[in-house]
Amino acid sequence: ELKVEQNPLFLSMQEGKNYTIYCNYSTTSDRLYWYRQDPGKSLESLFVLLSNGAVKQEGRLMASLDTKARLSTLHITAAVHDLSATYFCAGEGGSQGNLIFGKGTKLSVKP
Amino acid sequence: EAGVAQSPRYKIIEKRQSVAFWCNPISGHATLYWYQQILGQGPKLLIQFQNNGVVDDSQLPKDRFSAERLKGVDSTLKIQPAKLEDSAVYLCASSLNYRVLGAFFGQGTRLTVV
Repeated sequence: ELKVEQNPLFLSMQEGKNYTIYCNYSTTSDRLYWYRQDPGKSLESLFVLLSNGAVKQEGRLMASLDTKARLSTLHITAAVHDLSATYFCAGEGGSQGNLIFGKGTKLSVKP
Repeated sequence: EAGVAQSPRYKIIEKRQSVAFWCNPISGHATLYWYQQILGQGPKLLIQFQNNGVVDDSQLPKDRFSAERLKGVDSTLKIQPAKLEDSAVYLCASSLNYRVLGAFFGQGTRLTVV
């Protein structure tokens, strides 16, 4: 059964700094997904990483996937307050290849 | 394009009572999911529909939870009777091709069982 682990679970950053969130998964997952969730809001799809070596960037966020290492990273460049949210990664598991989520990383960006 | 609609947004019930949640997916999305998100955790899949058929309900506590998707569009999730540990946010999601685009989530229903 696929297990997805994120670290850190909590991250407090200063504006302008860089940091990386790590997502490890236990068994093969062809794809890796990143979602963002603001307090009291739903999940917003950020990236779908389709293959080994995939790298996607949107603004200050860049996600990558290494299927051999079973590792995905979400890199934050020059953080701003608007990036404060909880970030989830998810792999494909279950009988239908459904999304299996990690516990999330709660990011707080402070001035 | 309208998103995934859910109602109600909040519900407070006493244990052993019944509750139902409603979901209207994005038009044209054949796949519909119900997830349970307990505070501080990631969403956990309860049930997946493809059109109006169930394709995965392995994580659904069938002694108290039930779900249906009539006519392959709207869906309802019911809990009867509720327990304290059912307190969570229930998220509905839909997808056209989630392996390329990901799934689209509604705002969820926050259930508190007292």
